[in-house]
Amino acid sequence: NAGVMQNPRHLVRRRGQEARLRCSPMKGHSHVYWYRQLPEEGLKFMVYLQKENIIDESGMPKERFSAEFPKEGPSILRIQQVVRGDSAAYFCASSPPWQGYEQYFGPGTRLTVT
Amino acid sequence: DQQVKQNSPSLSVQEGRISILNCDYTNSMFDYFLWYKKYPAEGPTFLISISSIKDKNEDGRFTVFLNKSAKHLSLHIVPSQPGDSAVYFCAAIRQGGSEKLVFGKGTKLTVNP
Repeated sequence: NAGVMQNPRHLVRRRGQEARLRCSPMKGHSHVYWYRQLPEEGLKFMVYLQKENIIDESGMPKERFSAEFPKEGPSILRIQQVVRGDSAAYFCASSPPWQGYEQYFGPGTRLTVT
Repeated sequence: DQQVKQNSPSLSVQEGRISILNCDYTNSMFDYFLWYKKYPAEGPTFLISISSIKDKNEDGRFTVFLNKSAKHLSLHIVPSQPGDSAVYFCAAIRQGGSEKLVFGKGTKLTVNP
């Protein structure tokens, strides 16, 4: 019974490149959440998705960031034209339907922008 | 605008003693509260939770207390063990809303042998 899977675990990008972070939810979970943790900070909500739908993207920066959760395959968080300030740990969580308070987290992707 | 606050960045206790981690919130719409434990380079793992209709929830060595009038909750770990050394995050959610967890900044607990 695999948990939430994220890859890659570590990602290094130069300024201006694109970063793609992947998240496979737990089996049976259809809701996916992305959070970002900056150094010395708590986790901050970015976006909440269900299959093929963005439910709440109120925490996503307006530019350069996008997320999707297609009918088949993992959820993708995409950051275009990365800048140094995007360096952070990005965590994905998943939950069963109608139980959004039961969020289980993946190990995270640590993005470093050089 | 920090809606969930953990005012102690760190806490150090002796093995076998009680650890008390505190959390305050400002948004009265929150109705469910959770504690997560996080080791370095790992994702947060769920520890214990409490609904706003309760004032206490216990699970083994871990107890969470909720004081709604003070908008305050605390996590008690007794007895504390060295393996409990980690960063503990308090989180709150408004059920039926967008289901987003609002986290505090965390408290780093060190349990000394």
